[in-house]
Amino acid sequence: SQQGEEDPQALSIQEGENATMNCSYKTSINNLQWYRQNSGRGLVHLILIRSNEREKHSGRLRVTLDTSKKSSSLLITASRAADTASYFCATALYSGGGADGLTFGKGTHLIIQP
Amino acid sequence: DTGVSQDPRHKITKRGQNVTFRCDPISEHNRLYWYRQTLGQGPEFLTYFQNEAQLEKSRLLSDRFSAERPKGSFSTLEIQRTEQGDSAMYLCASSYRGANSYEQYFGPGTRLTVT
Repeated sequence: SQQGEEDPQALSIQEGENATMNCSYKTSINNLQWYRQNSGRGLVHLILIRSNEREKHSGRLRVTLDTSKKSSSLLITASRAADTASYFCATALYSGGGADGLTFGKGTHLIIQP
Repeated sequence: DTGVSQDPRHKITKRGQNVTFRCDPISEHNRLYWYRQTLGQGPEFLTYFQNEAQLEKSRLLSDRFSAERPKGSFSTLEIQRTEQGDSAMYLCASSYRGANSYEQYFGPGTRLTVT
């Protein structure tokens, strides 16, 4: 079963706009990770946010975490064509932070229109 | 760092045949994971190894699935008596077991088509 669920399932925006996608999960977590998958580079880790963090930045990425609502959001600013991909949130399958396996949502498919 | 490699990249087989996939992790990584991904879904965890020990295998999809990592380096995933429902992308990932080290590095995957 999948713990994380991303929303929306699909998102299409113009290049240069910001893209926001959300993830909800069911159980307590040690951390939450975001991954990107496209045909060119496969599945790539983007950012990890720990349960005691509320916000984290990495380049054009901003991730927030609300453990009381069991939700996270990923914001991509100033989108580029190369950001076209599927984005997944992932949490630990078991206790231990995810070192013994991850569970992924179905993903948000992001399309950046030129 | 050459990344995680998987072989073959594509495999077409007839129903009932056995298939074996290979994964070579990043050299200093001692944890290795197998996932399956079907169209429109996220990766689904199958099993993982720490060094040569298989620490979790309860999520292998059936007893037709087995995995090995004999010397704690490369790993193989075997599917016996393949069925059409086994058609999917099989992903391998590796990570380094260290304090607060949870990021996984994924290979390009092996796409299996069972006809």
